[in-house]
Amino acid sequence: GAVVSQHPSRVICKSGTSVKIECRSLDFQATTMFWYRQFPKQSLMLMATSNEGSKATYEQGVEKDKFLINHASLTLSTLTVTSAHPEDSSFYICSARVAGGLRGTQYFGPGTRLLVL
Amino acid sequence: GESVGLHLPTLSVQEGDNSIINCAYSNSASDYFIWYKQESGKGPQFIIDIRSNMDKRQGQRVTVLLNKTVKHLSLQIAATQPGDSAVYFCAENMQGGSEKLVFGKGTKLTVNP
Repeated sequence: GAVVSQHPSRVICKSGTSVKIECRSLDFQATTMFWYRQFPKQSLMLMATSNEGSKATYEQGVEKDKFLINHASLTLSTLTVTSAHPEDSSFYICSARVAGGLRGTQYFGPGTRLLVL
Repeated sequence: GESVGLHLPTLSVQEGDNSIINCAYSNSASDYFIWYKQESGKGPQFIIDIRSNMDKRQGQRVTVLLNKTVKHLSLQIAATQPGDSAVYFCAENMQGGSEKLVFGKGTKLTVNP
């Protein structure tokens, strides 16, 4: 149980285009999902917290107009990287909290590797 | 032995040895701690967790120790195997705060056959 999937697993795009990454909780409902970014040999950095049916909460320094987050249902959150640039190339990981679950318990997706040329 | 690289500390051990990975957490108000294992190109995988009302918790081949006095967390892996090679992260969550997890820098464990 508690499986989180991401799609796509890898994406290559041209600079200036937009890329959408999906995060799905497959066998549970997730009122809250989280989006992280991880650069090579570094730790996970939280970008934003996504709550179903409301606006996402962004961490300091993360541009909300560049990283659009939509949490339209209890099993799906999407991250759109708008007007992507090479510096946005990174490993994007989502996690999901089980509705009504213990505080702090998150289940992680397998990650999406984004390469912007 | 253990060394600190440009971004990621590394630890090399021989197969069969015990491994100890350390983490200094940042917030004295944190009361929930988790260790994750991350293999190359994959998302973090839950290993073991501990709440602040405990100072030790054991799982299968793994033990987490918590020292709140010095804000230190450690992960002990018994009889380390090549499949344990990965990057290990500690994460903390603050009591009364949001659901956010704050991740430590991570340690790359290499198990030599």
